[in-house]
Amino acid sequence: GESVGLHLPTLSVQEGDNSIINCAYSNSASDYFIWYKQESGKGPQFIIDIRSNMDKRQGQRVTVLLNKTVKHLSLQIAATQPGDSAVYFCAGPQPQAGGTSYGKLTFGQGTILTVHP
Amino acid sequence: NAGVTQTPKFQVLKTGQSMTLQCAQDMNHNSMYWYRQDPGMGLRLIYYSASEGTTDKGEVPNGYNVSRLNKREFSLRLESAAPSQTSVYFCASSSSIVGYLNTGELFFGEGSRLTVL
Repeated sequence: GESVGLHLPTLSVQEGDNSIINCAYSNSASDYFIWYKQESGKGPQFIIDIRSNMDKRQGQRVTVLLNKTVKHLSLQIAATQPGDSAVYFCAGPQPQAGGTSYGKLTFGQGTILTVHP
Repeated sequence: NAGVTQTPKFQVLKTGQSMTLQCAQDMNHNSMYWYRQDPGMGLRLIYYSASEGTTDKGEVPNGYNVSRLNKREFSLRLESAAPSQTSVYFCASSSSIVGYLNTGELFFGEGSRLTVL
């Protein structure tokens, strides 16, 4: 999951394995979540999103699971490939008194995924 | 399609100097954003512009100013650079405010690496 500090969580997998990247959030009013991928030297790239009225959403080789009870979401990557090596961020609009502040997107610290051939 | 273009890609400043980071998007997006990314941390929102003619503070606005010059361009200015502003700066755009009835897909530029000595 996401943690505070200078050392990002890391995940190392073998090519072909499935990868699971975790993210925890603190505000139970959070209603929308996004996953981004950032390759070295590039800007983040949108992967998939999910709204709080859903538990699961699938894309191409990726699945996001949302567990509102424990305030946790995960990104599952099937048949991980070397090209999946990157830093993965969860993000979402910040709930505030009076309603969610859409536009103010808050990012987690990120998880480094390394895929070995 | 160029997408989101940032200039300059690299810049070294001395403490107290000023500079402006330029950003332009060619996707006819309404909303634009400036983020900074520091080692071991996720992206943090500096300022955003929901639409042409409006700007709002993000999480870390101190020491920065922005200008939404037109629908395409959103600049970030450091009036008196400080070593704490050494970072990688990312500009992003989206069709509308992320989350609210819209996808959270921000399109990011390649980043501008700024070093303040």
